[in-house]
Amino acid sequence: QKEVEQDPGPLSVPEGAIVSLNCTYSNSAFQYFMWYRQYSRKGPELLMYTYSSGNKEDGRFTAQVDKSSKYISLFIRDSQPSDSATYLCAMTSGGGNKLTFGTGTQLKVEL
Amino acid sequence: GAVVSQHPSWVICKSGTSVKIECRSLDFQATTMFWYRQFPKQSLMLMATSNEGSKATYEQGVEKDKFLINHASLTLSTLTVTSAHPEDSSFYICSARGSDRGVEVVNQPQHFGDGTRLSIL
Repeated sequence: QKEVEQDPGPLSVPEGAIVSLNCTYSNSAFQYFMWYRQYSRKGPELLMYTYSSGNKEDGRFTAQVDKSSKYISLFIRDSQPSDSATYLCAMTSGGGNKLTFGTGTQLKVEL
Repeated sequence: GAVVSQHPSWVICKSGTSVKIECRSLDFQATTMFWYRQFPKQSLMLMATSNEGSKATYEQGVEKDKFLINHASLTLSTLTVTSAHPEDSSFYICSARGSDRGVEVVNQPQHFGDGTRLSIL
């Protein structure tokens, strides 16, 4: 079993839809959780960064962490074609330890 | 801030040559940088952790003599793929942790460069 599980998609939604992206993990030591967006042939771009459980909102993006269920989510409201990309979840226990990535979910937002 | 610049963005070369990729932190000092490799439609695979002023720490299965890492200053790490062969063709990405007032902070998230697409003929 992988430490981090993420549905690879592809996920196709109409413009304006609410998108829900999820990751589950098995290592209870993870405390720091990230979502990255990666366009084709580009490096990952940090979208959200959260510590421990709870919600964080930034514009159209909301990140949720439920440590009791070992489940994290990224919600995208009013999705746009420019949101079409691969979304990677990543997490670490902190203290300089390395990141563990999900496999990425490919999202396509259609006009 | 944490802007990471990577160069070149794309390189094509003949089998047997060595290729150097540069990773720079533009607005902060990075004691630690990371080098990843990514295959098509797959996630990032950590190759090594680059430490300023000391030897890099390589992940299991990554050949140290094949992938030479040098972190000579607090803003520059280089990855040299030596005697490259077609199987080394891949997308290589570097990253560095975020900073506070120009100094790297261990629990800040990693920020990535735009990657280098390496094609070996």
